[in-house]
Amino acid sequence: EIVLTQSPATLSLSPGEPATLSCRASQSIGSDLAWCQQKPGQAPRLLIYAAGTRATDIPARFSGSGSGTEFTLSISSLQSEDFAVYFCQQYNKWPLTFGGGTKVEIK
Amino acid sequence: QVQLVESGGGVVQPGRSLRLSCAASGFTLGNYGMHWVRQAPGKGLEWVAVMSYDEDDHFYTDSVKGRFTVSRDNSKNTLYLEMNSLRTEDTAVYYCAKVPGYNFWDYMDVWGKGTTVTVSS
Repeated sequence: EIVLTQSPATLSLSPGEPATLSCRASQSIGSDLAWCQQKPGQAPRLLIYAAGTRATDIPARFSGSGSGTEFTLSISSLQSEDFAVYFCQQYNKWPLTFGGGTKVEIK
Repeated sequence: QVQLVESGGGVVQPGRSLRLSCAASGFTLGNYGMHWVRQAPGKGLEWVAVMSYDEDDHFYTDSVKGRFTVSRDNSKNTLYLEMNSLRTEDTAVYYCAKVPGYNFWDYMDVWGKGTTVTVSS
């Protein structure tokens, strides 16, 4: 199965700062990668699919890039509502797998 | 508004059974592949099971094969996860999630908030 490794585990930043999150796949998955945001007690929310396409109603400050084995989620300027856990998901090979998550916390 | 609401979680002893429900609104379950995903305490997400849009295909992660069953009631627009012979390692928050179309081999675009299952004696 494909292992997705996210880094860093925790990112401590201040509002207004940019954030860069990484997701590395154990083998090539093309562009078959999605990013989701998860907050306590809430449903996970899809942000990005196909590595770089924003989902409906997702603000432009969120962007995704990468292909093959290296992927990045960027947040251009952190807003208060962006402090959460972010995870990646690959859908190139079965079984579907997820990264361990990156927690973006307020510094 | 497209929404998924899970229910049925609780505390259960090892070896017992539990049935989780996932009520869908704003769309018809029968038009989409549907997944169950779980997250054990302090762990990452783990895919558990999937049902194809036409109910013809069901797949399960190895650790639940023969114990868990996915089903659907179209009249109630509700997905189920029947869990038998529960083990302590099944303790997790269980989420249902839909994919954007017929093909279940895809990203998950809508998730529920999850329901908590605790297996403990």
